[in-house]
Amino acid sequence: SAVISQKPSRDICQRGTSLTIQCQVDSQVTMMFWYRQQPGQSLTLIATANQGSEATYESGFVIDKFPISRPNLTFSTLTVSNMSPEDSSIYLCSARLGGSGNTIYFGEGSWLTVV
Amino acid sequence: AQKVTQAQTEISVVEKEDVTLDCVYETRDTTYYLFWYKQPPSGELVFLIRRNSFDEQNEISGRYSWNFQKSTSSFNFTITASQVVDSAVYFCALSGASTSGTYKYIFGTGTRLKVLA
Repeated sequence: SAVISQKPSRDICQRGTSLTIQCQVDSQVTMMFWYRQQPGQSLTLIATANQGSEATYESGFVIDKFPISRPNLTFSTLTVSNMSPEDSSIYLCSARLGGSGNTIYFGEGSWLTVV
Repeated sequence: AQKVTQAQTEISVVEKEDVTLDCVYETRDTTYYLFWYKQPPSGELVFLIRRNSFDEQNEISGRYSWNFQKSTSSFNFTITASQVVDSAVYFCALSGASTSGTYKYIFGTGTRLKVLA
């Protein structure tokens, strides 16, 4: 497996502000994903972060609200823009490693609370 | 469409009891992968096991065992002699293989396991 680091691990944010979450993998990976987990809920895929091109967003998620960057094979960012209390969630970065079959591994998550 | 169902929302057991977490999936893919992840209170998802659709052999890893049955589209997870440290939310997930490389991972709603001392 690989080590996937996210920061911040936790934050309390003011309504209307934006926050960028960083995800760093300790090895080059083929695919990176961003998930949201609302309190007590399952994981919902926000988007696939594509290296060198625009992210692929799932239904219900748009680039203006969740801009994503992936400048190289080990790093990605997710920005949660113009936050509202409904954005309070755990945001999880995940990566599919080459040679891992189809397994994706997760970072420790970023717990955001919007007040 | 792909779907993963974990009908058990929450299970409580007393330490040393055995417990089985159920997972039922739906997919039209002939090649697919099934996973179990553990999410302790810290929030990180910990990978436990991957199974591909061609391998129905059951697997045992210490106190953990998995029963994969294609006939019933189930991939159940059993913890033997449960311990307090097993308390977590457990997610079952499904992924379809794709030559285009566009994988999707569908997660169940999770089962919260509480192991009481």
